[in-house]
Amino acid sequence: AQRVTQPEKLLSVFKGAPVELKCNYSYSGSPELFWYVQYSRQRLQLLLRHISRESIKGFTADLNKGETSFHLKKPFAQEEDSAMYYCALSYAGNNRKLIWGLGTSLAVNP
Amino acid sequence: KAGVTQTPRYLIKTRGQQVTLSCSPISGHRSVSWYQQTPGQGLQFLFEYFSETQRNKGNFPGRFSGRQFSNSRSEMNVSTLELGDSALYLCASSSAVSTNEKLFFGSGTQLSVL
Repeated sequence: AQRVTQPEKLLSVFKGAPVELKCNYSYSGSPELFWYVQYSRQRLQLLLRHISRESIKGFTADLNKGETSFHLKKPFAQEEDSAMYYCALSYAGNNRKLIWGLGTSLAVNP
Repeated sequence: KAGVTQTPRYLIKTRGQQVTLSCSPISGHRSVSWYQQTPGQGLQFLFEYFSETQRNKGNFPGRFSGRQFSNSRSEMNVSTLELGDSALYLCASSSAVSTNEKLFFGSGTQLSVL
């Protein structure tokens, strides 16, 4: 069965340090991958999707089909990046039935 | 534009009762998806409605049902509530133009089953 794994429940870094939130998936075809973020007391919202190949708030994520990964990276973390981050997978024929990782809580310390 | 609105914000029910949750999508959005979020299982897809038709369904028992009205508003119903149904229920809407469409989430309904 398709699955999304975020191995770290909690990631703590200092301001200005690089950050990488890991996401691995199990699916043999061509997936569509997303990162959603939930800041404190705010709604879950889309951060970025692999198909757009964009950088949002300094974050980037590259789909690595060989390693079945979609890690989220930022070279210099900011305190306002502290949030819950979720990786999600969709695939052809599955439409909006997103499969979610359990999330990683990122804490950026001053 | 107003965001996705879910009502009520909190609900307390007892086992065996039934509950109806409501979701009003962003104006113009025709797709509404429902998710259950719990600390142990994370976010799990319940179902998706598009133009009043259920287009996709997750792996939940038949006690969980939904519907969508002509104005795209959606309701989710859970019958014969069990303790394990206690969760945050999230609704998300999208314009559903493409498969990787951005989802807009509501604040959720926190359901507690006693």
